[in-house]
Amino acid sequence: DVKVTQSSRYLVKRTGEKVFLECVQDMDHENMFWYRQDPGLGLRLIYFSYDVKMKEKGDIPEGYSVSREKKERFSLILESASTNQTSMYLCASRRGGQQPQHFGDGTRLSIL
Amino acid sequence: TQLLEQSPQFLSIQEGENLTVYCNSSSVFSSLQWYRQEPGEGPVLLVTVVTGGEVKKLKRLTFQFGDARKDSSLHITAAQPGDTGLYLCAGKETSGSRLTFGEGTQLTVNP
Repeated sequence: DVKVTQSSRYLVKRTGEKVFLECVQDMDHENMFWYRQDPGLGLRLIYFSYDVKMKEKGDIPEGYSVSREKKERFSLILESASTNQTSMYLCASRRGGQQPQHFGDGTRLSIL
Repeated sequence: TQLLEQSPQFLSIQEGENLTVYCNSSSVFSSLQWYRQEPGEGPVLLVTVVTGGEVKKLKRLTFQFGDARKDSSLHITAAQPGDTGLYLCAGKETSGSRLTFGEGTQLTVNP
C-alpha cells in the first residue's frame, strides 16, 4: 500500500512565524501535491511538483513556497504565517498520468 | 481554472434510503474521480470514470460519467451509517495532470 506521511497531525503557530509542513511518500511517485481544505471550498491546490527540484504554482500559491530536494519529500513553507492560513493541509502523491492521488491524513494548522 | 459544482453540500438521511450526489461543470474533463473522506483522515479514492457515459458499480454505490464528460453522479442504494462521510468529486484536466475538486457533499446516515 502507498503510504503518504505528514509530519504533524496538529500544529499551532503564531502570526509572522515561518512554518514548515513536511510530507513523505514511500512509493517512488513522481508527482506530489499540496492542498488546503476549508469548509464549503473543497480542496484547493497550492503547489505541485512533477519531479525532484521541479515545482509549479497551483490555484492559491500566495503566501506559500515549496521545496522538493528529494523525490520522496515535498515540503510546504509558510513564509510569514497569517491567521487566514489557518486550515487543514493535505499532501498527496501520484505515480503520474491517469493514476489516482494518494493522500496523507492531513495537518490541521492553527495560526494565532 | 476549471470549476466543479457539487450538490447538495449537506445531506442527512435515514438508514435504508437512497441518495444521489451530483457533480457538474461547464468544462470537459478527461476523467473524473470520486473520493470519500472520513474525519481525521485524507480522502480515499473510490472510483475513476474515464469514458463518456461510463457507469461503474461498487457494491451499493453507482457512479456515472456524463456523455459529454462534463458531469458525474454518485448514487447510493439503501444507505448505511457506515456510508457517512465527505464525498468529493475531482476532474482531471484535458491538458495537464491537475485535479479540480468539487466543494464536497457531507453525508450523514442516521440509524
